[in-house]
Amino acid sequence: NAGVMQNPRHLVRRRGQEARLRCSPMKGHSHVYWYRQLPEEGLKFMVYLQKENIIDESGMPKERFSAEFPKEGPSILRIQQVVRGDSAAYFCASSPGQGGTGELFFGEGSRLTVL
Amino acid sequence: KNEVEQSPQNLTAQEGEFITINCSYSVGISALHWLQQHPGGGIVSLFMLSSGKKKHGRLIATINIQEKHSSLHITASHPRDSAVYICALLSYKLIFGTGTRLQVFP
Repeated sequence: NAGVMQNPRHLVRRRGQEARLRCSPMKGHSHVYWYRQLPEEGLKFMVYLQKENIIDESGMPKERFSAEFPKEGPSILRIQQVVRGDSAAYFCASSPGQGGTGELFFGEGSRLTVL
Repeated sequence: KNEVEQSPQNLTAQEGEFITINCSYSVGISALHWLQQHPGGGIVSLFMLSSGKKKHGRLIATINIQEKHSSLHITASHPRDSAVYICALLSYKLIFGTGTRLQVFP
C-alpha cells in the first residue's frame, strides 16, 4: 500500500472551485485506476489510464471531470466547478499492466469535502 | 445482470465463528482481489487470486475460474475483523462488488 501515494489526503473546496487529486503509482507501474466512494456507498470505478492514454473512462461523469497520466509525473484527477455531490473519497490503484499477473496496489485515498 | 454479485451485504457474528463471504461474476478476469476497508480507512488488498486457493493466517480465499465464483473465509473470527470486505475484479477495467459489512461481537 505504501507504494501508491495519493495527495492531498484531505481537500476542502467551496462550490465552484477546482479540485486536483494526484496519484503516484508504484515504481514500474504504468497503469492507474481511479475510483471513488460516495458517503455510505460502495466503490465505483471511474477511469483506467496508461501513460499518456485513457483506456476506459466509462465510469467518469461526462462533465467537469477529467483525468490524465502524463509520461512524467503523477496521474491527475481534475474536478472543475465542484458541487456538494462531489464530496467523496477518491482512490487510485496501480498495476504493472495488462497481461501481467493481476498485481494491484491501492492508495489510501483523497477525501474531498465540498462546502 | 450485474457483472459482479457479492453476498451477504451485512453479516454479524460472534467471536470465534467461521465466516464465509461470496463473490460471483460474469466477465472474464485476469485476477480477483479481496479487499478490506475499516471505517474511515483506506483499502488493503488481502488476496490476489487467479486460480486455486490462498491462505494467510486466519483468512482463506478460493476461486473457481470455471464457475466464476470466489469465496473469502475467516476462521475463528475476532472483533478486529469487523470491516467491509469487497471483491474486486481486474478485467478490462476494475469492477467492484457491493461489499459485505462484517461485525464480529465479543
